[in-house]
Amino acid sequence: GQQVMQIPQYQHVQEGEDFTTYCNSSTTLSNIQWYKQRPGGHPVFLIQLVKSGEVKKQKRLTFQFGEAKKNSSLHITATQTTDVGTYFCAGTFFNDYKLSFGAGTTVTVRA
Amino acid sequence: GAGVSQSPSNKVTEKGKDVELRCDPISGHTALYWYRQSLGQGLEFLIYFQGNSAPDKSGLPSDRFSAERTGGSVSTLTIQRTQQEDSAVYLCASSPNRYEQYFGPGTRLTVT
Repeated sequence: GQQVMQIPQYQHVQEGEDFTTYCNSSTTLSNIQWYKQRPGGHPVFLIQLVKSGEVKKQKRLTFQFGEAKKNSSLHITATQTTDVGTYFCAGTFFNDYKLSFGAGTTVTVRA
Repeated sequence: GAGVSQSPSNKVTEKGKDVELRCDPISGHTALYWYRQSLGQGLEFLIYFQGNSAPDKSGLPSDRFSAERTGGSVSTLTIQRTQQEDSAVYLCASSPNRYEQYFGPGTRLTVT
């Protein structure tokens, strides 16, 4: 079936360092969304990417959609303790309307 | 404005009992989704409602699970004859446009 794969599953980061989480699909995506879930909380919508090669920035977060619309990445610069949580990518396939969530990248930050 | 609300926030039930979980979506949102999230896992799609269309039930894991949405607003997820493997957080989300989804705080279900 159509799935969205996300790596790494865990990311331990020193405060101030950068990191990237990746999302991949074997099938072309219609769009991709990113969500953040803080420990004990619920997923919160961050952004949606629709166009091939699209890049969007939110402060220290940079989101990218691949040219083939099969992969996406989230890059966080100068990690802060407030970045702790699980980041999910979620894609929509052209023949479907449901969001297929990746397994998430759980980020911990060492002060 | 008010976000998505869910009740109860926690539910402990005995194996074999039925449970009902409620979701109040954001007013005006036509799409409503139910997901299940087991501890430390991703989100498992359960069911989707869009306006007055027939719901997409393709994610329901067994016929013990059912959901309805009355008047295009409030939704109830019912689990009959609960099993221990049903223990999870059940999340509801609504959307104005089938794109970004707004999640409720979830109901943590524990089956003993």
